[in-house]
Amino acid sequence: DAGVTQSPTHLIKTRGQQVTLRCSPKSGHDTVSWYQQALGQGPQFIFQYYEEEERQRGNFPDRFSGHQFPNYSSELNVNALLLGDSALYLCASSLVGAETQYFGPGTRLLVL
Amino acid sequence: RKEVEQDPGPFNVPEGATVAFNCTYSNSASQSFFWYRQDCRKEPKLLMSVYSSGNEDGRFTAQLNRASQYISLLIRDSKLSDSATYLCVVTWNSGGSNYKLTFGKGTLLTVNP
Repeated sequence: DAGVTQSPTHLIKTRGQQVTLRCSPKSGHDTVSWYQQALGQGPQFIFQYYEEEERQRGNFPDRFSGHQFPNYSSELNVNALLLGDSALYLCASSLVGAETQYFGPGTRLLVL
Repeated sequence: RKEVEQDPGPFNVPEGATVAFNCTYSNSASQSFFWYRQDCRKEPKLLMSVYSSGNEDGRFTAQLNRASQYISLLIRDSKLSDSATYLCVVTWNSGGSNYKLTFGKGTLLTVNP
């Protein structure tokens, strides 16, 4: 039973560029949440997708957008990258209505 | 006031010690409570849920006080392998059927031989 997978594992971009991160949820899960974890901080909620729609959003600008596909996998897109976007981006999957979320290994993004 | 606040740490303890982590939350509508563990450069992993009646899992004991909006985690007989960052997590439902997790900043624990 595959857990949550994310790609790529590491990424280096320059300011102003755009990035797309990918996530495949745990088998049987239908809800995907994205979190940003800056160095020395706890993860911060970005948004959550269920039934291919954004259901909840945290305090992140519109530069952060996402998508969920019919197979429940998800993408996180960040436009006009800033140095402050450097962080570990975590994807978590769950079943709708369940409070327990399972995290993928994350994508480490460095913006130069 | 931050939604979830934890002891800033770090904690350095010898093997066999008992260590306690404290956490407070600001949203009285919060519904569920967890402790996650995060090893260096890894993803957070669920350690245990926290219930009002208190719950225990081996050397780990978690407590919740809803009136005080306070959560705790006690680790007894600490092992070298307990070294990690411990994250206090609170969830609440904004009206739909999906929950978001709100994390504290985490407390780093190092257990020394």
